[in-house]
Amino acid sequence: IAGITQAPTSQILAAGRRMTLRCTQDMRHNAMYWYRQDLGLGLRLIHYSNTAGTTGKGEVPDGYSVSRANTDDFPLTLASAVPSQTSVYFCASSAGRGGNNEQFFGPGTRLTVL
Amino acid sequence: GQNIDQPTEMTATEGAIVQINCTYQTSGFNGLFWYQQHAGEAPTFLSYNVLDGLEEKGRFSSFLSRSKGYSYLLLKELQMKDSASYLCAVMDSNYQLIWGAGTKLIIKP
Repeated sequence: IAGITQAPTSQILAAGRRMTLRCTQDMRHNAMYWYRQDLGLGLRLIHYSNTAGTTGKGEVPDGYSVSRANTDDFPLTLASAVPSQTSVYFCASSAGRGGNNEQFFGPGTRLTVL
Repeated sequence: GQNIDQPTEMTATEGAIVQINCTYQTSGFNGLFWYQQHAGEAPTFLSYNVLDGLEEKGRFSSFLSRSKGYSYLLLKELQMKDSASYLCAVMDSNYQLIWGAGTKLIIKP
């Protein structure tokens, strides 16, 4: 693995189903993030983690949960998917949380909820 | 509220220069980032400004004026591969990135 990976690449999901989007990084970064990107809107932060064992809520956390059991993995779970959660989801990581710590992005997961 | 404004779309000619503007109103300021995003791909980092002035990096330069809440990204000697969206993002007082909707740059031969 080089960098940050996400799975699946795309998914079509029935409303009401539970879904976990996976994210793994091999850069030993402390901070990780989940964003959603919708047409005409900027990236919006869903949840973040400053370090393994801690998580925090971003701008649009409702309907989503995360966990950070170790440094490398940061899964995002939709407990009961709704059509408004149709979006492209990006996972990102950075060495630290502040200053000039650039964020590295995974390739994204395109999710459609019907 | 927090707000990042940038033009929705711009068109430029191969070999020319283009300036993409970004204005912001945020709760605190801990730096401004520019990212490039090709269609269907992930954003990739271009530049970071935290002090006023111009930062040059090859064909790309980024300028910041904190007193005006303003930044621009300058792209010189445009190439077809520069066709992409350019995202402006500001790090607020909580060290959270606030993102603009992006500027889609179309390069014509």
